[in-house]
Amino acid sequence: QQPVQSPQAVILREGEDAVINCSSSKALYSVHWYRQKHGEAPVFLMILLKGGEQKGHEKISASFNEKKQQSSLYLTASQLSYSGTYFCGPVYGGSQGNLIFGKGTKLSVKP
Amino acid sequence: DTGVSQDPRHKITKRGQNVTFRCDPISEHNRLYWYRQTLGQGPEFLTYFQNEAQLEKSRLLSDRFSAERPKGSFSTLEIQRTEQGDSAMYLCASSLDHGTAKTNYGYTFGSGTRLTVV
Repeated sequence: QQPVQSPQAVILREGEDAVINCSSSKALYSVHWYRQKHGEAPVFLMILLKGGEQKGHEKISASFNEKKQQSSLYLTASQLSYSGTYFCGPVYGGSQGNLIFGKGTKLSVKP
Repeated sequence: DTGVSQDPRHKITKRGQNVTFRCDPISEHNRLYWYRQTLGQGPEFLTYFQNEAQLEKSRLLSDRFSAERPKGSFSTLEIQRTEQGDSAMYLCASSLDHGTAKTNYGYTFGSGTRLTVV
């Protein structure tokens, strides 16, 4: 089942913060986050495991709320290089481990 | 290691023709995945392998699609009797998994094969 990402798109000025949410209707085991720049392949950012700690990558961090079946990606003091489309990919409790990606959140960071 | 390689990068084919794509994963990765992506959408899962075993195939996937991973190394994805709706970017990814059912490692994606069916 495809997760729901919100917002669909966000425009930021350099230095501003943003939050991207990923919600599931099924129990989650873990959540992956990827960033894809235009014309390129998705790049792995981080994985949040059930019961694990909040992870970080550069000034990007994420959390995993088991009860809400939701993960959030936090982009702090955004840089131009953060522009791209962010995808979450939950791994569900009963699945074999392949990811079903959300539709993505397009982030544009302007100078 | 040079990452995940896909060949060809671009393929233009006439409707009704068969096409085959190849993916060479990172050598120590035992899992290999195929995804399809169209403009403005997230990658859509097609199938995946653990070593040479094909463990799951999307129920949405037509019988015209078949994938193999002989000897657990490279993989091929074949589309028979292509249709215009098959036009998309076909992405291959690989990951290392320590043998349990869950994926605890990130995927490394290849640059993809862009298929255009005319």
